[in-house]
Amino acid sequence: DIQMTQSPSSLSASVGDRVTITCRASQSISNYLNWYQQKPGKAPKLLIYAASSLHSGVPSRFSASGSGTDFTLTISSLRPEDFATYYCQQSYSTPPTFGGGTKVEIK
Amino acid sequence: QVQLQESGPGLVKSSETLSLTCTVSGGSISNYYWSWIRQPPGKGLEWIGYIYYSGSTNYNPSLKSRVTISMDTSKNQFSLQLSSVTAADTAVYYCALLGFSSVWYYFDPWGQGTLVTVSS
Repeated sequence: DIQMTQSPSSLSASVGDRVTITCRASQSISNYLNWYQQKPGKAPKLLIYAASSLHSGVPSRFSASGSGTDFTLTISSLRPEDFATYYCQQSYSTPPTFGGGTKVEIK
Repeated sequence: QVQLQESGPGLVKSSETLSLTCTVSGGSISNYYWSWIRQPPGKGLEWIGYIYYSGSTNYNPSLKSRVTISMDTSKNQFSLQLSSVTAADTAVYYCALLGFSSVWYYFDPWGQGTLVTVSS
């Protein structure tokens, strides 16, 4: 299985901050990488697919990049509704696997 | 738009079989891939498997010996059975649609999730 490692596991930030989350794959996955946002008690929601494509309805303050083994998700200016846990997921090979999550908390 | 809703017992005894159903509304279950994913309390996400409307399936090798995913197109539902459960199977279970964009796939949308606790 391809292992997905996210860093940091948690971070504290303020409204308006620029936040960057990193995801690393244990082998090259080209750009078969998705990002999800999960709020407490809710199901994950798709933000980004194919490493950098913004899913319909997702605000443009979210962006992502990367290819191969290293990927990043950036929130350009953090809003109160962005405090959540973010997961990356590879769709390069079966089984699809998720990173351990990055919890974005209010400073 | 498509909506998914999980249903089933919230408590299952150890060594028994967990059974959940996902009801799809707002669209037909046909011509798509449907998946189950779980999340132990306070932990990360684990893909369980998927089923195509034709009935073909693909399971996570870590669970393959215990998992069965099936579909009832007449009811617009698909189901999960996980046998010989232990406390390690306690989790929120989600159903989700596999969306595709060209060669890329992703899980969207998801059901709200249902907590299944395995008791001894």
